[in-house]
Amino acid sequence: LAKTTQPISMDSYEGQEVNITCSHNNIATNDYITWYQQFPSQGPRFIIQGYKTKVTNEVASLFIPADRKSSTLSLPRVSLSDTAVYYCLVGDRNSGGYQKVTFGTGTKLQVIP
Amino acid sequence: DAGVIQSPRHEVTEMGQEVTLRCKPISGHDYLFWYRQTMMRGLELLIYFNNNVPIDDSGMPEDRFSAKMPNASFSTLKIQPSEPRDSAVYFCASSRQVAGGYEQYFGPGTRLTVT
Repeated sequence: LAKTTQPISMDSYEGQEVNITCSHNNIATNDYITWYQQFPSQGPRFIIQGYKTKVTNEVASLFIPADRKSSTLSLPRVSLSDTAVYYCLVGDRNSGGYQKVTFGTGTKLQVIP
Repeated sequence: DAGVIQSPRHEVTEMGQEVTLRCKPISGHDYLFWYRQTMMRGLELLIYFNNNVPIDDSGMPEDRFSAKMPNASFSTLKIQPSEPRDSAVYFCASSRQVAGGYEQYFGPGTRLTVT
């Protein structure tokens, strides 16, 4: 199972672009990269998922280099409401099932006014 | 869609009592998951179902915990007897059978306090 490493915490000012990088050096061929956001007292919220190159939706962009050993979640022009914990998950539900996936400690993003 | 629905949102009970948590997944989703979150252990997967059948319950901490999914729109997680160390937020999540990663949709959680 691919182990992930991400910063424990980050601070950013409102209006800035925030990039959170997740390292996954032993990612397997069929593994996908999935990001979640969790606000205090709420369940995790699925943000974005990708396999390679770049994925963009209305919330964020996900950049995955060719070697796929890392990925970067990009949040454009953050606001105070983006203050949350962000989790990076790596795996393939079709081969590893769900039990082996772990959310880890995530990255606590604090947006400053 | 209403999203994943969980009840109750808060539960306070005394040690030794039976606790039942309920979940209604998103319509059309064929996977259902039960998670537990604490400050010490983070978010842990307890058990998950596919088409109402339990697939992996290796995360269930003890025999005091049991989960059922009698139909596609309802699941329960039961703790009997409850203990103070069971105090946590319990999340239910659901997903569809799609290729690849771990896209899931979580409910608001049930905050359980066992005194």
